[in-house]
Amino acid sequence: KAGVTQTPRYLIKTRGQQVTLSCSPISGHRSVSWYQQTPGQGLQFLFEYFSETQRNKGNFPGRFSGRQFSNSRSEMNVSTLELGDSALYLCASSPVGRDGLDTQYFGPGTRLTVL
Amino acid sequence: AQSVTQLGSHVSVSEGALVLLRCNYSSSVPPYLFWYVQYPNQGLQLLLKYTSAATLVKGINGFEAEFKKSETSFHLTKPSAHMSDAAEYFCAVSAGEAAGNKLTFGGGTRVLVKP
Repeated sequence: KAGVTQTPRYLIKTRGQQVTLSCSPISGHRSVSWYQQTPGQGLQFLFEYFSETQRNKGNFPGRFSGRQFSNSRSEMNVSTLELGDSALYLCASSPVGRDGLDTQYFGPGTRLTVL
Repeated sequence: AQSVTQLGSHVSVSEGALVLLRCNYSSSVPPYLFWYVQYPNQGLQLLLKYTSAATLVKGINGFEAEFKKSETSFHLTKPSAHMSDAAEYFCAVSAGEAAGNKLTFGGGTRVLVKP
């Protein structure tokens, strides 16, 4: 099976712009989670989608949003970019994820740089 | 709420020596615990997970971890380090069904392996 794919791998934006990142989960996986990784804050949970519904949300401002499509592919959007949004954004998928026991399989990430 | 503390942001070991990475957690419910490894410019890869079946958990690449409830610890060990073990390692906790797939990560420990 193909792994989790994320596009694009690298992105450069300027402050105030918006950005959309894409994640294709492993075939058959229905849960997609997003994480932000920065040197200062480490790995932080953004949100999780399951069957096109947001099931869980981390402590991020409303500028961060996401959605999931019927084929389980997911996108996350960041509006009004700030310098502090520069980070590696990781997507993870799991089969069901209902009980927290599922192994989450991570993609290679999208490196976002905000200038 | 869950939290994870990894003692030591950097660890240096000689090739062939014991690798010991420390992880302490805080959880209001019986936790599920995970160790992930991240190689440069890659996503996270699961090494092993604790799901209450056995306190000593064996993972990939010769790693194992022991769950000690009394010490709220889940330290990762490998008897003999290889050069290929140089990477960053993350301990994570999930609160199980209540949290769905939300993982709370420790700050990470970067391992340097000296020849």
